Amino acid sequence: ILNVEQSPQSLHVQEGDSTNFTCSFPSSNFYALHWYRWETAKSPEALFVMTLNGDEKKKGRISATLNTKEGYSYLYIKGSQPEDSATYLCASLNTGNQFYFGTGTSLTVIP
Amino acid sequence: DAGITQSPRHKVTETGTPVTLRCHQTENHRYMYWYRQDPGHGLRLIHYSYGVKDTDKGEVSDGYSVSRSKTEDFLLTLESATSSQTSVYFCAISPTRLGQGTQHFGDGTRLSIL
Repeated sequence: ILNVEQSPQSLHVQEGDSTNFTCSFPSSNFYALHWYRWETAKSPEALFVMTLNGDEKKKGRISATLNTKEGYSYLYIKGSQPEDSATYLCASLNTGNQFYFGTGTSLTVIP
Repeated sequence: DAGITQSPRHKVTETGTPVTLRCHQTENHRYMYWYRQDPGHGLRLIHYSYGVKDTDKGEVSDGYSVSRSKTEDFLLTLESATSSQTSVYFCAISPTRLGQGTQHFGDGTRLSIL
């Protein structure tokens, strides 16, 4: 099993605060790292797919970085808004075609 | 939104009965996936398909079978449902192979097995 771990499990931030959370994955045989945003009562929505060490992706106020050598990715949200409240999932693919999701970080932005 | 329709959206059935969930896509994507989502486990891949009649097992395939006779339809079957298969099931599609590109998810099917 490919252990993909996310931390923290949940967090609450005030509107306007910037925040970040972590996805850890095995660095050996790494192929790709995904980030998804999942709002309650909806389906997961793709944010980023990252493959290269040092890669950075940005979508509006959300950005992500990737360190494949040490096996982690950070997701950053700048100036959090209530509509950012969701669970953020990461998933890792290795060269053995194993694809596993983490259990997610639940973000609540307090107005 | 990607054209993915899951049916039924909700189902309650009894232990031992067969259950089939359907995923229908209008995007003509080659790859289709079935996941289950349970508290504390996140999304776990059950089976996936990389073309008509081409399928492979995921992390939690025991007790499930799949079929894909047309590009647009991917069926998940529980031959004899058990209470441990109570879950929310998500279908996903992608134009590229497993994990290499973003996946687009359906709205989910909530399955309760009593």
